Amino acid sequence: DQQVKQNSPSLSVQEGRISILNCDYTNSMFDYFLWYKKYPAEGPTFLISISSIKDKNEDGRFTVFLNKSAKHLSLHIVPSQPGDSAVYFCAATSDISNFGNEKLTFGTGTRLTIIP
Amino acid sequence: NAGVTQTPKFRILKIGQSMTLQCTQDMNHNYMYWYRQDPGMGLKLIYYSVGAGITDKGEVPNGYNVSRSTTEDFPLRLELAAPSQTSVYFCASSYSTSSHYGYTFGSGTRLTVV
Repeated sequence: DQQVKQNSPSLSVQEGRISILNCDYTNSMFDYFLWYKKYPAEGPTFLISISSIKDKNEDGRFTVFLNKSAKHLSLHIVPSQPGDSAVYFCAATSDISNFGNEKLTFGTGTRLTIIP
Repeated sequence: NAGVTQTPKFRILKIGQSMTLQCTQDMNHNYMYWYRQDPGMGLKLIYYSVGAGITDKGEVPNGYNVSRSTTEDFPLRLELAAPSQTSVYFCASSYSTSSHYGYTFGSGTRLTVV
């Protein structure tokens, strides 16, 4: 039972254009969502997060949008740069008020390739 | 500040052999986790620990054991290696700040069982 789904295994985008990565979830108890970025031979690193009380969070070139009614979130990268080429994982958890005791549920990842 | 350190980075095991994947964190985090990453399958939780002396099973615990004798160390033990355990293993610890909650991951251990 895949509670967090990333239906696009891969995505190619021209440098300078917008990259949009999508993520869907099925568990209505999820209230906190994160995006992680992973380069080959490295561990995932935190990119950006959003709480369910918001519908948008922005950090520089990265913006995450949350649509709770559709159980959908997306990560926008503008403008895309070659260094953004990596695997991106969506993750979700519930009960964020219980700090530190939340297990993250991860999606299967999307490999983003930025074409120079 | 080293963060989360995993050793070894690579290992080849024969079927039936055993080994311990080491994980150490120097951030004084109580919560630690072991995940495995299989191609196209994302990260699956194997075991987690909420503090020294306390561990619990995750989604895919079969074939593994853990211990947590100190806050810093959370080793993962494979007793009888099987080809199905060929994977990349990530250790992580969790943190929270005023702006977000998340995990710090180690760089991973790539294990091949032949």
